[in-house]
Amino acid sequence: DAEITQSPRHKITETGRQVTLACHQTWNHNNMFWYRQDLGHGLRLIHYSYGVQDTNKGEVSDGYSVSRSNTEDLPLTLESAASSQTSVYFCASSDTLNSPLHFGNGTRLTVT
Amino acid sequence: AQSVAQPEDQVNVAEGNPLTVKCTYSVSGNPYLFWYVQYPNRGLQFLLKYITGDNLVKGSYGFEAEFNKSQTSFHLKKPSALVSDSALYFCAVIRAGAGSYQLTFGKGTKLSVIP
Repeated sequence: DAEITQSPRHKITETGRQVTLACHQTWNHNNMFWYRQDLGHGLRLIHYSYGVQDTNKGEVSDGYSVSRSNTEDLPLTLESAASSQTSVYFCASSDTLNSPLHFGNGTRLTVT
Repeated sequence: AQSVAQPEDQVNVAEGNPLTVKCTYSVSGNPYLFWYVQYPNRGLQFLLKYITGDNLVKGSYGFEAEFNKSQTSFHLKKPSALVSDSALYFCAVIRAGAGSYQLTFGKGTKLSVIP
């Protein structure tokens, strides 16, 4: 079965370090998304991609970057981790505008 | 701009009773509306969607939702709640024809079904 996997599931890092969270999907979807989930805020969009070599900023993109070198992967990089980036991060993919999103199981990131 | 409001942070219902989780939206133009469910330590799972057509939409696990354009609402319902329905529920909206895939989520409603 097709799936979307995130790694690691848990990560603890120090302020100022660069961190990369992996996202890999086997749905063959062109559209991929990164969200963060925080209590009281729901899910907020960080970055998204409509295909290879395409990336776009979402609502809360400051301090984050993504790259899309193939269809399957959209890694999320925190250039210099900050305590405000402690959160649960979800990757998702979709086929078309009105298709459901398929989510990974998330990465819990703690920045100390 | 588009937005979603889930006015209740938590809903408690007794097992076997009907449940409703409320959602109202704001979007310029016609909406595409979605409900997702999240179980502990898992990603969100799709429940149902409204794109066009019949205002009553049926989805997974016996859930349904009614699109009401005049009240800009899309409430999630189930006739008889199960303990296993206890989870976090998210409503989401995107403007039809937006040319963008930026789905806007509500803040979520925690549903607790009491045995």
